Amino acid sequence: RKEVEQDPGPFNVPEGATVAFNCTYSNSASQSFFWYRQDCRKEPKLLMSVYSSGNEDGRFTAQLNRASQYISLLIRDSKLSDSATYLCVVNMEYGNKLVFGAGTILRVKS
Amino acid sequence: GAVVSQHPSWVICKSGTSVKIECRSLDFQATTMFWYRQFPKQSLMLMATSNEGSKATYEQGVEKDKFLINHASLTLSTLTVTSAHPEDSSFYICSARSGNTPYEQYFGPGTRLTVT
Repeated sequence: RKEVEQDPGPFNVPEGATVAFNCTYSNSASQSFFWYRQDCRKEPKLLMSVYSSGNEDGRFTAQLNRASQYISLLIRDSKLSDSATYLCVVNMEYGNKLVFGAGTILRVKS
Repeated sequence: GAVVSQHPSWVICKSGTSVKIECRSLDFQATTMFWYRQFPKQSLMLMATSNEGSKATYEQGVEKDKFLINHASLTLSTLTVTSAHPEDSSFYICSARSGNTPYEQYFGPGTRLTVT
């Protein structure tokens, strides 16, 4: 089983749509969770951290369910510029290393 | 703030040659730097973790004699791909972390290596 699993997509949505991505992780002792965004042939950029209480940043909402070892990202009012690959990232307990999911591709179309 | 640069941004080399990639933290001191590799349509895979002044810790399956890492200062780490082969062609990305941000890593723009 992969340490971090994501639906690869692609998710093709119209502008203005709401879209949700899910991610599961295998290590119950994982400490920190993040969503990164990666554009084609570029480095990943931190989108937001994910907290147990859930957190929101503008059109983006992240949720964490430790019992189910599940993380989600909700994007409201999708923009064309949201088209990218979204990476679920987990900081494992050991060694402070980040483990990346394979990413979910989002394509927003006009 | 928190800018990480990499050089070169892309490189083409012949099989059997060695290539050095530099990773620099421009506006902060990086106590730890990480080297990742990303093949097309795959996720980033951690290759090694390096702490300034000490030997790098390599992930399982990564040959330390082939991928030489030097972290000689708090702002510079280098990755040398020795005796490169076409299967080493990949996107190499470094990231850096300061002591103040134990979980947040700042990524460089990546180096695209093509071995012919």
